[in-house]
Amino acid sequence: AQSVTQLDSHVSVSEGTPVLLRCNYSSSYSPSLFWYVQHPNKGLQLLLKYTSAATLVKGINGFEAEFKKSETSFHLTKPSAHMSDAAEYFCVVSDKDSGSGTYKYIFGTGTRLKVLA
Amino acid sequence: NAGVTQTPKFRILKIGQSMTLQCTQDMNHNYMYWYRQDPGMGLKLIYYSVGAGITDKGEVPNGYNVSRSTTEDFPLRLELAAPSQTSVYFCASSSLGYEQYFGPGTRLTVT
Repeated sequence: AQSVTQLDSHVSVSEGTPVLLRCNYSSSYSPSLFWYVQHPNKGLQLLLKYTSAATLVKGINGFEAEFKKSETSFHLTKPSAHMSDAAEYFCVVSDKDSGSGTYKYIFGTGTRLKVLA
Repeated sequence: NAGVTQTPKFRILKIGQSMTLQCTQDMNHNYMYWYRQDPGMGLKLIYYSVGAGITDKGEVPNGYNVSRSTTEDFPLRLELAAPSQTSVYFCASSSLGYEQYFGPGTRLTVT
């Protein structure tokens, strides 16, 4: 069965320092993986996606993530945090359900990023 | 393209009332979804649809109903509202297993 684990529920960094948000997944097939960001009282915005092309994926606002199949990980990074990066981040895996043949999206529980001045 | 639109943005219901949350997408996506997000929590899937006329339950379907008569529209019906349905509701659409596009959400309070 598919699953997504976001290893940290809260992460605090100082402005200008690197960001690392960790995500591990399990999947039976070849998954697609996504990171979404949700600012307070807002909807979810796609940051980046992996869909079996390049394993290092670049997204918006300077974020990137590397798909590591051997480690079943898809960690999100940014070289230098900005105050505007403070938000909730969700790792999501999309996979084909073997029974129904439909695509399912499994959400992680989220990581709240705090950026300190 | 407007993407995914939801109405209303906010609503307050009394216990026992009913309402329909509207969701429309203009990207010709086959897949559409309804999620709820409780304060400080992640998203839980209520219902989803893989095409017009086809719907299926997610992990928290009780107290809700959906229909999908067109590709564009996927309304969510709440019957006999209860305080436990106080939440933020998000509609999303996608093409097969590709990224989901989310609407701005509907903030519902049941008192």
